[in-house]
Amino acid sequence: GAVVSQHPSWVICKSGTSVKIECRSLDFQATTMFWYRQFPKQSLMLMATSNEGSKATYEQGVEKDKFLINHASLTLSTLTVTSAHPEDSSFYICSARILAGVLNEQFFGPGTRLTVL
Amino acid sequence: DAKTTQPTSMDCAEGRAANLPCNHSTISGNEYVYWYRQIHSQGPQYIIHGLKNNETNEMASLIITEDRKSSTLILPHATLRDTAVYYCIVRVAGSNYKLTFGKGTLLTVNP
Repeated sequence: GAVVSQHPSWVICKSGTSVKIECRSLDFQATTMFWYRQFPKQSLMLMATSNEGSKATYEQGVEKDKFLINHASLTLSTLTVTSAHPEDSSFYICSARILAGVLNEQFFGPGTRLTVL
Repeated sequence: DAKTTQPTSMDCAEGRAANLPCNHSTISGNEYVYWYRQIHSQGPQYIIHGLKNNETNEMASLIITEDRKSSTLILPHATLRDTAVYYCIVRVAGSNYKLTFGKGTLLTVNP
């Protein structure tokens, strides 16, 4: 099956620093990747849609200057949390869309737990 | 996309079938029913999807009522590793591939 990886799996950083999270599709090319955020005991919330070679589309209420998304290749999208604060502590999950023939599905990475001190 | 309603939680004995219901009474004709699950602290995992016919794969079966207003995900022989939050999502299978996650059902499989 289609495999999506994320790196790092967890990160702890100091308030004010920036953190980059990578999302890779390992065995397929993904023109579209998605970034979600999940707070404890809550459901996943879509943050942005990332399209290879173009600017990301952010959901309402998500600050694009704070959550920088780069989708430079068909297998890699990165999310950078700039000037992180404790309220940005969350579980960040990416997914990649596979579109091949009649197959049009979305596969998720294992997630990255960010803790901002 | 149509809204779905699921029970907050369910319990199931190990080895028995787990039947997870989902209500989607406002579903439209071109919307599919998707099921994902999320084991604690992991990313969601695709399980199955269907339009109007019942579907079965190696993980589960999906039963959709004739009027398509509700569906049931069936795990035929639940194991402890099936303990997870199960999400029922209704969406159009098109180019705008957004998934809107509700609260889902926490299925706890007990030994």
